Amino acid sequence: DQQVKQNSPSLSVQEGRISILNCDYTNSMFDYFLWYKKYPAEGPTFLISISSIKDKNEDGRFTVFLNKSAKHLSLHIVPSQPGDSAVYFCAASKGSSNTGKLIFGQGTTLQVKP
Amino acid sequence: NAGVTQTPKFRVLKTGQSMTLLCAQDMNHEYMYWYRQDPGMGLRLIHYSVGEGTTAKGEVPDGYNVSRLKKQNFLLGLESAAPSQTSVYFCASSSPMYGVGANVLTFGAGSRLTVL
Repeated sequence: DQQVKQNSPSLSVQEGRISILNCDYTNSMFDYFLWYKKYPAEGPTFLISISSIKDKNEDGRFTVFLNKSAKHLSLHIVPSQPGDSAVYFCAASKGSSNTGKLIFGQGTTLQVKP
Repeated sequence: NAGVTQTPKFRVLKTGQSMTLLCAQDMNHEYMYWYRQDPGMGLRLIHYSVGEGTTAKGEVPDGYNVSRLKKQNFLLGLESAAPSQTSVYFCASSSPMYGVGANVLTFGAGSRLTVL
């Protein structure tokens, strides 16, 4: 059972426009959500996170929105740049857990066209 | 600062062969993890460790064994490789947050394994 889902395998946007990547989860016990970015032949790198007590977190061009009632989060990239082209993974964790495990979605490949 | 280092980066095995992937971290992290990445499946947790001498099963542990004899190292073993284990393997590490923040994992660059 996939607890974290990214239903769009790919997304293509024009440079300068907004990129919106979506993620849904099923487990109401998750209380922290993270986005990771992955370039080919590299490991995933942390991008931004949000706690379940917030509905928005912003870091430069990246903003994550959380809708707890819908069990949905999204990552907004504004403006999008060609260097943002990568695979983006959504991940969730239970902060109360003493294992630190992250459950990842399937990933969305973002292509930003110049 | 090397972070998380995985060896080897590439390996080709025949069905039934055994091998060990080595992960080393120099950040003094307590927690370490092994994930595999497959097309359309994202990153799935194989095994993890919350401290030296401890290991636990993740989502897809079958066919793998792990050991954490030293805090900085986490080994992933395949005793009898199968074609279904063809994948890219990622090791990660983190420090415990004990519920006060998001647990940010630091990943290695990956090990691509092909089983023929």
